[in-house]
Amino acid sequence: GQNIDQPTEMTATEGAIVQINCTYQTSGFNGLFWYQQHAGEAPTFLSYNVLDGLEEKGRFSSFLSRSKGYSYLLLKELQMKDSASYLCAVNSWGKLQFGAGTQVVVTP
Amino acid sequence: EADIYQTPRYLVIGTGKKITLECSQTMGHDKMYWYQQDPGMELHLIHYSYGVNSTEKGDLSSESTVSRIRTEHFPLTLESARPSHTSQYLCASSDPRTSTGELFFGEGSRLTVL
Repeated sequence: GQNIDQPTEMTATEGAIVQINCTYQTSGFNGLFWYQQHAGEAPTFLSYNVLDGLEEKGRFSSFLSRSKGYSYLLLKELQMKDSASYLCAVNSWGKLQFGAGTQVVVTP
Repeated sequence: EADIYQTPRYLVIGTGKKITLECSQTMGHDKMYWYQQDPGMELHLIHYSYGVNSTEKGDLSSESTVSRIRTEHFPLTLESARPSHTSQYLCASSDPRTSTGELFFGEGSRLTVL
């Protein structure tokens, strides 16, 4: 079966760094995605990892270790607008399986 | 910016009614998907399509049905809505020719069945 785990909620202050971990066990693996979803809105694409290592894109970075079934999303220089749910999703046989999301709350 | 549209955005209906949620994309994507998401919960894949006349059931069993007569259009139908169908329904599409195959999502249709 499929199992994608990430923490339910994280709180951090403006300007800080937050790391959201995601562990997965899937029957197939063709890449891992991170999406951002603001309340009541559609998810928007943040990053994609298919090989081990770190992908950096501005304030956001994503890391993947396929042997450990582990990824993290790093958010730097947090801004209030970063308050949202962050979804980890694994491409398994051409279909995306999503985790439940991590609600990040940024406080002043 | 993604060009994928869903209507209606919000719908409140009574039990037993037939409803169709519309989804259209103008990107020429072959792959399209329907996800169901309850508040604070993960997205569950309920239907997907790899092209015209192709439809498959997803991982979460759903009483809804879909059709794919045109590339750009992927409607979802509930023949007889029940309160258990109350949820948010998200449509998405992807282009298999891209290196990532990322999904582009519509704004969602929030359905409430009384």
